[in-house]
Amino acid sequence: GQQVMQIPQYQHVQEGEDFTTYCNSSTTLSNIQWYKQRPGGHPVFLIQLVKSGEVKKQKRLTFQFGEAKKNSSLHITATQTTDVGTYFCAREETGRRALTFGSGTRLQVQP
Amino acid sequence: SQTIHQWPATLVQPVGSPLSLECTVEGTSNPNLYWYRQAAGRGLQLLFYSVGIGQISSEVPQNLSASRPQDRQFILSSKKLLLSDSGFYLCAWRRDAYEQYFGPGTRLTVT
Repeated sequence: GQQVMQIPQYQHVQEGEDFTTYCNSSTTLSNIQWYKQRPGGHPVFLIQLVKSGEVKKQKRLTFQFGEAKKNSSLHITATQTTDVGTYFCAREETGRRALTFGSGTRLQVQP
Repeated sequence: SQTIHQWPATLVQPVGSPLSLECTVEGTSNPNLYWYRQAAGRGLQLLFYSVGIGQISSEVPQNLSASRPQDRQFILSSKKLLLSDSGFYLCAWRRDAYEQYFGPGTRLTVT
């Protein structure tokens, strides 16, 4: 399947600091989805981006889709302990009705 | 509203024993269904997906199999478990091009 590279693999921040995770593809994406998995839990859908250059916000979370539709980012402003978890991006697989997930970025927030 | 059920929540099985994990979805019809496996601290590995009754696509060759006997039922099986089958098994459903919903997962430990 077509891969998506996600960086960093892990990040540890102090509460109140910002956090960003990046998702990169070598091929053009039709859309990109973001999920959050809390420790011990299951992934939960956050958002889907479809348009080139699209920016969407959910409170302290800002999602961007690159102009070339080959990369995406999730930025969290002023992290809180409730932000702890692993964030995954996911792409549609061309010709398959399945998502390919990135390897995820694990966020740890120090209170 | 839609609900996805998985059971059991946890399972400890000896090497060589059989496995059957069940997933059911309520509140929707003809969903795409998926089985993922997640090793500890790792990403989501797509194992099988199904776009309809009796239609199974296998992603990774292994000693696991999947079946979809009913529209909203997806079963993951093995005749003989290996140590490497340990992990967190997640069932999910989605409509094409939309977000994916995950079940609560089954933590399988093969001893």
